[in-house]
Amino acid sequence: NAGVTQTPKFQVLKTGQSMTLQCAQDMNHEYMSWYRQDPGMGLRLIHYSVGAGITDQGEVPNGYNVSRSTTEDFPLRLLSAAPSQTSVYFCASSYSRGHQTYEQYFGPGTRLTVT
Amino acid sequence: GENVEQHPSTLSVQEGDSAVIKCTYSDSASNYFPWYKQELGKGPQLIIDIRSNVGEKKDQRIAVTLNKTAKHFSLHITETQPEDSAVYFCAASRNDYKLSFGAGTTVTVRA
Repeated sequence: NAGVTQTPKFQVLKTGQSMTLQCAQDMNHEYMSWYRQDPGMGLRLIHYSVGAGITDQGEVPNGYNVSRSTTEDFPLRLLSAAPSQTSVYFCASSYSRGHQTYEQYFGPGTRLTVT
Repeated sequence: GENVEQHPSTLSVQEGDSAVIKCTYSDSASNYFPWYKQELGKGPQLIIDIRSNVGEKKDQRIAVTLNKTAKHFSLHITETQPEDSAVYFCAASRNDYKLSFGAGTTVTVRA
């Protein structure tokens, strides 16, 4: 299994440009999430999905869109990039058995710079 | 929402000594408390977790303790080794898949 993969690894955007960060997992996990990591602030949840066709907002959703058309893919769209979106973005997936959800597996991250 | 505070922000220990990182949380309904290790240039990786029905959990040199009354939990690393140098994050959640993270602790193990 490749686990959780993210592309691209690095990206530079100009203010106002749009782009999509790709995330895929091959573990058949139902839960997928997007986090951003900023210095001194840990990881903050942007959007999450509990299954194909179901998404919801996390702590910092403004400026981002997501969709979950398949179990495997969970792309994150930046509609109009702003310098405040300069960050490292991590995608994660996890699964549940009964009422318990198990560990989140994180991808390697995408480092985004908006100028 | 949940607020997780983590201390200290940096920790330097001599190889072989113990390291302790402490976290507090605000939501009394939180019931899942994982700890992640992040090496440079990589995504976080789970090293240990604990649920609210357990007070302590141990895995080789790593242990986590939970005090639900005081709403705090701690990570203990014994006999530290150079490969323990990394950034460590605590997190809390009431439903497992929506994690609220602490700000992180950079641990440096001096040889």
